[in-house]
Parts: sequence; C-alpha cells; structure tokens
Amino acid sequence: AQTVTQSQPEMSVQEAETVTLSCTYDTSESDYYLFWYKQPPSRQMILVIRQEAYKQQNATENRFSVNFQKAAKSFSLKISDSQLGDAAMYFCAYRSGGNTPLVFGKGTRLSVIA
Amino acid sequence: NAGVMQNPRHLVRRRGQEARLRCSPMKGHSHVYWYRQLPEEGLKFMVYLQKENIIDESGMPKERFSAEFPKEGPSILRIQQVVRGDSAAYFCASSPRGIYEEKLFFGSGTQLSVL
Repeated sequence: AQTVTQSQPEMSVQEAETVTLSCTYDTSESDYYLFWYKQPPSRQMILVIRQEAYKQQNATENRFSVNFQKAAKSFSLKISDSQLGDAAMYFCAYRSGGNTPLVFGKGTRLSVIA
Repeated sequence: NAGVMQNPRHLVRRRGQEARLRCSPMKGHSHVYWYRQLPEEGLKFMVYLQKENIIDESGMPKERFSAEFPKEGPSILRIQQVVRGDSAAYFCASSPRGIYEEKLFFGSGTQLSVL
C-alpha cells in the first residue's frame, strides 16, 4: 500500500522568508501524481500545486515550488516570500493510476511570524 | 459554477442516533469521494462512488457506515448508531471523470460531534 510521510508536524517562518516542507512517499508504481493541499482554519482544502511523476521539471505556482526527487521518493514544498495568509495545515498527497483514492500525509502546521 | 457543497456544516448527535451527511458535487462531476479527518490527522479515504455505483469502499468501517450516490440528488454518507469515536470532520470531494490525473475539488466538510 502506498504511504505518505510528513516528518515535520509543525514549522514556522518569518514573514517574507522562505520555508520548505518535507514529504516522502512509498510506492512501487512508476506513474503517479503528487499534490500539496493547504487547509486554512476555514477547513477548506485548497490545491496548492501538482506534479506528474513522469515530468522531470519541478512544478511551480507563483511563490510555491516543489523539489521532486523521484529516485528518493521525495516531494518537498518550498514557499518563498512567506505571507501571513500562508499560515495553515499543509498536506502532501499521492495518487496512482486506475480508480485509486488520494492518499494523504498527516500534515504540517505552518505558522508565519510577522 | 458552485463548488462542492456539503451540509450541514456542523452536526451534533447523541450516541446511538443516526447521522446523515450530504454532498452535492460540482456541476458535471459524476465521481464522489468521502474522507474522514480526525483532529491533527490527515484525511483518510473512506469510499469512492460514481453515480449509482460504489467503486471502492475499502476505507469504510464494516458496520454502521454506508454511502450512496443516487442518479438524482446528492451523495449521502450515513452513520447509524453513532459513537463518540465517530466525531470527526467528514469531507467530500468530486471530479469529472475519476482518473488519477484529475484535480479533486473538496467541500468545506461536515464537523460531526457525538455527545
């Protein structure tokens, strides 16, 4: 079974600084997708960024980028120029082919210090 | 185009009562997924449904829990004879075709509290 591990229960960053959230996963599949979701206090799950496993180029969405290391099964999220609105729980997730469900890590709570 | 709508947002039940959680997927989406989130935990998959069919219920507890997604109307997650351990946030997500490349759109969840 696929598993997703986020080893940092909590992280903090100063406003305008950069922070990296870690995620590793375990799979025997070669084709899959990886996701980072943000969950603010409102509880809404918001997709931050998505990476296709077959693409070597790291995905980027404005201030959010990933470092995807397929051989190491690592998928970290980098947030640049952190803003107060970035404070939230961040979940790493994995999904492989077929009708398989999205598998989530336990999350990292990010605090942004003004 | 309204997003995924879940209601109620908060639901309080006493032990032994039934809880019914509703999810209306985004327009045009025929695939629905239910997840449960315990405090300080990630989302755990429960069940995946397509219109009138259960595709994968590997995450559903064997007893007291059931789900449906009828041809007309919302998807329903039903919990019979609730116990305190059922207290959690229940999220619904939908997608157009159910393929793994697709982005899942999530609702805001229903917070179930069992007294």
